[in-house]
Amino acid sequence: GESVGLHLPTLSVQEGDNSIINCAYSNSASDYFIWYKQESGKGPQFIIDIRSNMDKRQGQRVTVLLNKTVKHLSLQIAATQPGDSAVYFCAETRYNDMRFGAGTRLTVKP
Amino acid sequence: KAGVTQTPRYLIKTRGQQVTLSCSPISGHRSVSWYQQTPGQGLQFLFEYFSETQRNKGNFPGRFSGRQFSNSRSEMNVSTLELGDSALYLCASSTGDRAQETQYFGPGTRLLVL
Repeated sequence: GESVGLHLPTLSVQEGDNSIINCAYSNSASDYFIWYKQESGKGPQFIIDIRSNMDKRQGQRVTVLLNKTVKHLSLQIAATQPGDSAVYFCAETRYNDMRFGAGTRLTVKP
Repeated sequence: KAGVTQTPRYLIKTRGQQVTLSCSPISGHRSVSWYQQTPGQGLQFLFEYFSETQRNKGNFPGRFSGRQFSNSRSEMNVSTLELGDSALYLCASSTGDRAQETQYFGPGTRLLVL
């Protein structure tokens, strides 16, 4: 069936290093993708999005890459900081039907 | 702009009771979606309301219902609560324009069913 999944459930990085969080999606009809960050006790927070007509989009310290050939999405965080520690979700959307991956927990070691 | 707000933030109920949760979207947003988040199932879509009408619905039993008011505020209701309904309930708002689908989440209501 259709699903959005993550390759790694947990990721631990050293402060200052770059982080890469991966996500696989299975529906080639999905045309819009979003990364969310969820800190403990809070709702998901929008980080960055990308449309299917793009393969890369950059924000402040974050970059999202989309590879439609292999249906793969990644989030790169540059110079990871302790405040980046959270669970990161990818989401695919078709119209307003949004489906989430299971999430990856990012832990930043000082 | 103020973000999405949800009330109450925490709630404890017993099996068989019913509960109503409230969500106020970002000003100008006409779409409100509800999600259930549990450690075992992750984020699961409940339903979406747009202009006071349910536009999309997930695979939840009829005990879960919702509505939206003319000011776009939304409520969801769960009747005959079960232990498995314990979860974080999140609402998210968006413009409702399907060309701009970004959803913005509230802090959630944590429901514990005893």
